[in-house]
Amino acid sequence: GESVGLHLPTLSVQEGDNSIINCAYSNSASDYFIWYKQESGKGPQFIIDIRSNMDKRQGQRVTVLLNKTVKHLSLQIAATQPGDSAVYFCAENSSGAGSYQLTFGKGTKLSVIP
Amino acid sequence: DAGVIQSPRHEVTEMGQEVTLRCKPISGHNSLFWYRQTMMRGLELLIYFNNNVPIDDSGMPEDRFSAKMPNASFSTLKIQPSEPRDSAVYFCASSFLAGGLGTQYFGPGTRLTVL
Repeated sequence: GESVGLHLPTLSVQEGDNSIINCAYSNSASDYFIWYKQESGKGPQFIIDIRSNMDKRQGQRVTVLLNKTVKHLSLQIAATQPGDSAVYFCAENSSGAGSYQLTFGKGTKLSVIP
Repeated sequence: DAGVIQSPRHEVTEMGQEVTLRCKPISGHNSLFWYRQTMMRGLELLIYFNNNVPIDDSGMPEDRFSAKMPNASFSTLKIQPSEPRDSAVYFCASSFLAGGLGTQYFGPGTRLTVL
């Protein structure tokens, strides 16, 4: 079946630098994407989402980029802080499939070096 | 808003015992999801409900697992009998689905250990 995957399982960045977390998806019918952050011992926390009719969306210190041509999604975190250390998941959904399910990637662990 | 509430936060039980996990979704949400998370398999969707009706339970591992949603503010996931391989963190998430899309908001999870 089609699935969402991540290029990099771990990422270490220096505090203050920008972070980029990547995600590849294979379902061309996917039209809604979400990034979640999961800190140790907690549930996944919504960060930002984007619909397929957009290629960029910005939040507070975060930006999500969507490239439908190559089926690639990325999360950019500006001025990374120690509190950003967590596992980040991308998730995708295809409303046209008649399903409310989100398909989650395996996750990327972000470690911020003080 | 209190967010999604799950109980208990931790559960340790012995093989063969019945385990019941509980979830209270965010008020006003019309869909509820149960997930299981392990290091080996990541986040797996077990079952989800829309307007209290189970829509897809294809992720439920086997007949030992059952889930109910008697009303819009409460759901349970039951494992009977429990086995060591059921040890995992179980998350409940809720969402307001419109047009087939909706952000899911997760609870803090229940860490289950079956000895």
